[in-house]
Parts: sequence; structure tokens; C-alpha cells
Amino acid sequence: TAGITQAPTSQILAAGRSMTLRCTQDMRHNAMYWYRQDLGLGLRLIHYSNTAGTTGKGEVPDGYSVSRANTDDFPLTLASAVPSQTSVYFCASSELAGPGRNGYTFGSGTRLTVV
Amino acid sequence: GQNIDQPTEMTATEGAIVQINCTYQTSGFNGLFWYQQHAGEAPTFLSYNVLDGLEEKGRFSSFLSRSKGYSYLLLKELQMKDSASYLCAVLDSNYQLIWGAGTKLIIKP
Repeated sequence: TAGITQAPTSQILAAGRSMTLRCTQDMRHNAMYWYRQDLGLGLRLIHYSNTAGTTGKGEVPDGYSVSRANTDDFPLTLASAVPSQTSVYFCASSELAGPGRNGYTFGSGTRLTVV
Repeated sequence: GQNIDQPTEMTATEGAIVQINCTYQTSGFNGLFWYQQHAGEAPTFLSYNVLDGLEEKGRFSSFLSRSKGYSYLLLKELQMKDSASYLCAVLDSNYQLIWGAGTKLIIKP
């Protein structure tokens, strides 16, 4: 089924360690996004990419980095994890920059616990 | 600052109708979205409103009043599978999506 694949599904990570969350889409969408979702808060944008080769900072970019070497892949890296980065991370995509009339397509999420 | 307000939780009965409200205060407005999110799953797109009025899509309808900064999602003939969180999001003047915290809808038999 076409869509977005995220890996891993869940992870427990020791504080100070690095980790890359993977995101791959097969819809040839130009734009991709990384969000975090925390209880009681709305989805918050971490980083985005409007097209391959470009990236931008969202609302909460500190402690995270991204790259967009090609259309399909948009990995999110935590260089040195801290407990406040415990969250559920969603990757999303859209055909063009911005949600348009059809909104974003979301991956199934990665549940990360930093201890 | 920018703000999206939704009730935290609502309870309704199977077969009934429920209305989930969303009020927003954002820097500009370029559209409002509703998403459904089942526990432990990804949000899925339900509706998009950019003009005032009601958009109907099967059992779900979404209403927008831009002058009041207000929207609602109306769910008819509720089914147990409608138990989920419903997220309201507004596209602001910078074309950034501002998300509400979501409304958890509990359906009882």
C-alpha cells in the first residue's frame, strides 16, 4: 500500500546517545515534515522539507537535525538525546509545500523513550 | 500568540449525533482541517474548510465561520469505531499548520 513508512516503531534510548528515525514515502510527494506529539499538546513541527535538497526549521527544531538527499527519504537525527525528547514522532508528506486541500499523509509514528 | 481550543474529552452514545467545536486565534487564515486519530495510530485527514459554511462528507460534516474564528465537526449515526481523537488545525498566514491538542471522543453502547 502506498504511503509513509517509519522505523523503528518504538525505541528506548539512553540519554546522551544519538539516534536516527527513518521515514520513507513512495508517493513522490515533494514536501515532507517531522512532528512530535505530546500528551495535552497539539502536534508541533520540528523540521520540514519543501523539496529534495532543501530543509527548514519548524517550531521546535533544537536538538534535532534532518537531511533530504532524495525525494523519498527524510531521516530525523537526535545527536545527543535528552529525556524531554521522549515523545511520539510522526513523519508526514504532501504533494506540494503546504497541506493543500487534501491535508498531509502521516506515517504510523515512532514512540521514543529517552531514559 | 496563536491558539487553537478544543474540548479535551467528550462522550456520546452509539447511534447519536455529536458536535466537536474548535475555536482559533491565529495570525491570518488559509484554511482549517479536521483529522481523526485512533489511539496509537497516525492522524488521518477528514475535512478541509476555507470558505464559510458547511461541508458534508457522508456521516461527517464540518462547518466554518471565519468571522467568529469557529469551526465544528459533526458526526452523525455514531459507531463504536468513531471512538478516537479529533484534531483541529488551522493554516495561518505563513502557511504553517497550527494544531489543537485534540478532542478525545468516547462512544458508549
